[in-house]
Amino acid sequence: NAGVTQTPKFQVLKTGQSMTLQCAQDMNHEYMSWYRQDPGMGLRLIHYSVGAGITDQGEVPNGYNVSRSTTEDFPLRLLSAAPSQTSVYFCASSYVGLWGYTFGSGTRLTVV
Amino acid sequence: GESVGLHLPTLSVQEGDNSIINCAYSNSASDYFIWYKQESGKGPQFIIDIRSNMDKRQGQRVTVLLNKTVKHLSLQIAATQPGDSAVYFCAENIQGGSEKLVFGKGTKLTVNP
Repeated sequence: NAGVTQTPKFQVLKTGQSMTLQCAQDMNHEYMSWYRQDPGMGLRLIHYSVGAGITDQGEVPNGYNVSRSTTEDFPLRLLSAAPSQTSVYFCASSYVGLWGYTFGSGTRLTVV
Repeated sequence: GESVGLHLPTLSVQEGDNSIINCAYSNSASDYFIWYKQESGKGPQFIIDIRSNMDKRQGQRVTVLLNKTVKHLSLQIAATQPGDSAVYFCAENIQGGSEKLVFGKGTKLTVNP
């Protein structure tokens, strides 16, 4: 049982490049979400999904896209990377109605 | 601004002492609260939760207290160990609403040997 798996662990992008952060869970959780963590800012919700085919915006969605074609996967796309998107990104999942999220180990992204 | 915050950004204790980490929340409609522990370079880990119909809940060496009157949450760690050194976050949710959790900024706990 791998839990929540995020890839890559580290990434450096140039301004304007696009990329996809991968998130997969093997716990059959309906709910999945993406957070970014910046120093002194805690965790801020980017996008979330309550099931395959359903996504919604969180607190800081601008510059990011998501899709949920399967229960297991919830990729996060950066359309045109900006230095302000330098952060650590966490994916989390849970059963709907149970908010003890399981988090992945994070992706540290640097945009130069 | 964020509806969940913390009174102190850092806390330093001696090994074996008890630790108390505080959290204030501003949304009186929140009815579910969670504490997470985040070690350096790792994702947050669930520690303990509490619902608003309770004022205290105990786990293994941890106790969460909820005071709805002043909208205050605390995490008590008994006999703090070096392995407890981490950043601790509180998070809140409104049940029956969305699945979203709102996180506080975190308190860094350092345990001195």
